[in-house]
Amino acid sequence: DTAVSQTPKYLVTQMGNDKSIKCEQNLGHDTMYWYKQDSKKFLKIMFSYNNKELIINETVPNRFSPKSPDKAHLNLHINSLELGDSAVYFCASSPLGDSLEKLFFGSGTQLSVL
Amino acid sequence: TQLLEQSPQFLSIQEGENLTVYCNSSSVFSSLQWYRQEPGEGPVLLVTVVTGGEVKKLKRLTFQFGDARKDSSLHITAAQPGDTGLYLCAGADNYGQNFVFGPGTRLSVLP
Repeated sequence: DTAVSQTPKYLVTQMGNDKSIKCEQNLGHDTMYWYKQDSKKFLKIMFSYNNKELIINETVPNRFSPKSPDKAHLNLHINSLELGDSAVYFCASSPLGDSLEKLFFGSGTQLSVL
Repeated sequence: TQLLEQSPQFLSIQEGENLTVYCNSSSVFSSLQWYRQEPGEGPVLLVTVVTGGEVKKLKRLTFQFGDARKDSSLHITAAQPGDTGLYLCAGADNYGQNFVFGPGTRLSVLP
């Protein structure tokens, strides 16, 4: 009954490969996000989707393409992986419109690009 | 660009001590949250504060939101080893469409 689940937990791959990370939330939330946490633990927003529509697209290389087939899923596809893409990627969801703004995070995907 | 700063960056204390960590910004946020993150896991929400001057208590944790809604503090009384973790503050703007995170305070509570 995990609220926000993302797979895989660990992803080790070679430079130049294409990979995807999947995320699903069963909380009925309208908004989903992708965050990147670097080696210094700094969390930075990458994308925000509300009801399958892109709301926020921060300065992220276009090798990163989010896809939201429905409001419970937000997947992240990465093309031509680079060494600098190594980080922990977190999916999150939020009940937009709730007066108590809050994020619910998945447990993260640790991506290592060799 | 909205930025959040947190201090101290690192804090190592003995079990039973009290501590306060701070979160500051030059921007106003519609709300501010505190999260705790443990190794290998995602951040977990501790509290959301919305009203300027608001004080919320969660057992041994006391959260305060500044009057101008630009800063916040987290006070832990009688810290325990289980409080060890990375404490992150986050500000919400556009009513939750964007959450900006601070760099975190890494707390170690030694038995």
